[in-house]
Amino acid sequence: QKEVEQNSGPLSVPEGAIASLNCTYSDRGSQSFFWYRQYSGKSPELIMFIYSNGDKEDGRFTAQLNKASQYVSLLIRDSQPSDSATYLCAVPWGGYSTLTFGKGTMLLVSP
Amino acid sequence: DVKVTQSSRYLVKRTGEKVFLECVQDMDHENMFWYRQDPGLGLRLIYFSYDVKMKEKGDIPEGYSVSREKKERFSLILESASTNQTSMYLCASSLLQVQETQYFGPGTRLLVL
Repeated sequence: QKEVEQNSGPLSVPEGAIASLNCTYSDRGSQSFFWYRQYSGKSPELIMFIYSNGDKEDGRFTAQLNKASQYVSLLIRDSQPSDSATYLCAVPWGGYSTLTFGKGTMLLVSP
Repeated sequence: DVKVTQSSRYLVKRTGEKVFLECVQDMDHENMFWYRQDPGLGLRLIYFSYDVKMKEKGDIPEGYSVSREKKERFSLILESASTNQTSMYLCASSLLQVQETQYFGPGTRLLVL
């Protein structure tokens, strides 16, 4: 199984700033990565999926994948208090779309 | 929209009781998963199933069993509940192919006294 590491945080940023969340993984053969957001007391929901090296943008969210360095990042531009949540990085393993999740980084956006 | 539902949001049981947690998805997904989530430990996979009557152990299957008699329904069974099984239990489903998104249910917070 693959290992996924995330800084637990909390990462505190002011409203309007860029929040940068990082994830490192152990298996050099990993091809794709998921970012989930989890609000307190709620279940995880998918916000980004990235497969290729480089950047993938979706609204205020940008995922960056660097396979050579084995890390994947999530940037949130113009952070809002509603972005305050725990962000989970996940890596597929096995043949059944099973995922290994990192423990998550808590993001706090202050008004 | 994919919908994954779980039978209870909150559950309180006594040590030694047999506990059933049920999960139903309405998108004809082949894969279904049971996780538990604990502070500081993250999401940990208990069991998953890729087809009716098929099951595979995850990271922490001890003390749990599962049942999948119909494609849309996946049950988690605690044969004899213990206090260390107090946790948030999350069910998820996905299509079979690798790299498919998992969709989560709302979770069941189980307290074992």
